[in-house]
Amino acid sequence: EVQLVESGGGLVQPGGSLRLSCAASGFTFSSYWMSWVRQAPGKGLEWVANIKQDGSEKYYVDSVKGRFTISRDNAKNSLYLQMNSLRAEDTAVYYCARGTNWGQGTLVTVSS
Amino acid sequence: DIQMTQSPSTLSASVGDRVTITCRASQSISSWLAWYQQKPGKAPKLLIYKASSLESGVPSRFSGSGSGTEFTLTISSLQPDDFATYYCQQYNSYHWTFGQGTKVEIK
Repeated sequence: EVQLVESGGGLVQPGGSLRLSCAASGFTFSSYWMSWVRQAPGKGLEWVANIKQDGSEKYYVDSVKGRFTISRDNAKNSLYLQMNSLRAEDTAVYYCARGTNWGQGTLVTVSS
Repeated sequence: DIQMTQSPSTLSASVGDRVTITCRASQSISSWLAWYQQKPGKAPKLLIYKASSLESGVPSRFSGSGSGTEFTLTISSLQPDDFATYYCQQYNSYHWTFGQGTKVEIK
């Protein structure tokens, strides 16, 4: 069974940084593209970033380019999202996804 | 990026009604479209992938159709458990995009 478990969310001040992690199990992690998707409170879903199996290709939504970095460690079956220069509008639940399989999400709140 | 326009944004219906939600892509996405159901406080749940393929375990009252730029999600007979918000998602490009969602409410 595919399992994706996010961690690392929390409260951070504007301009601060946070690193999200996603522990994957139940499938061959190194064989799949992986993604981050977010949902602001009361709002719709927004794709954030994708990363190729070997990490050689990465894609970002325009609003996070230059601030967020997606990465992975295939030896640890883990996906990461390094978030820098955080803004209030980055407040959201962040989901780790393997195609159409999603984790339960971790909440990031950016506030002073 | 490919824009996904979903309609309606809200839908009021009764148990037993046939419900149709539409999603339109700004350019052809072949059949690379998924439909999700989301309930408050929960992660989205996959219903349909590749436009018309029913995810395992999803009731057969849900169906998807379409290709290219026009897609529909149909619930043949609305059940109490189906009151939720529904999203379409294109995954034709590396930059995914979602529709804005359709909230299905009790009439």
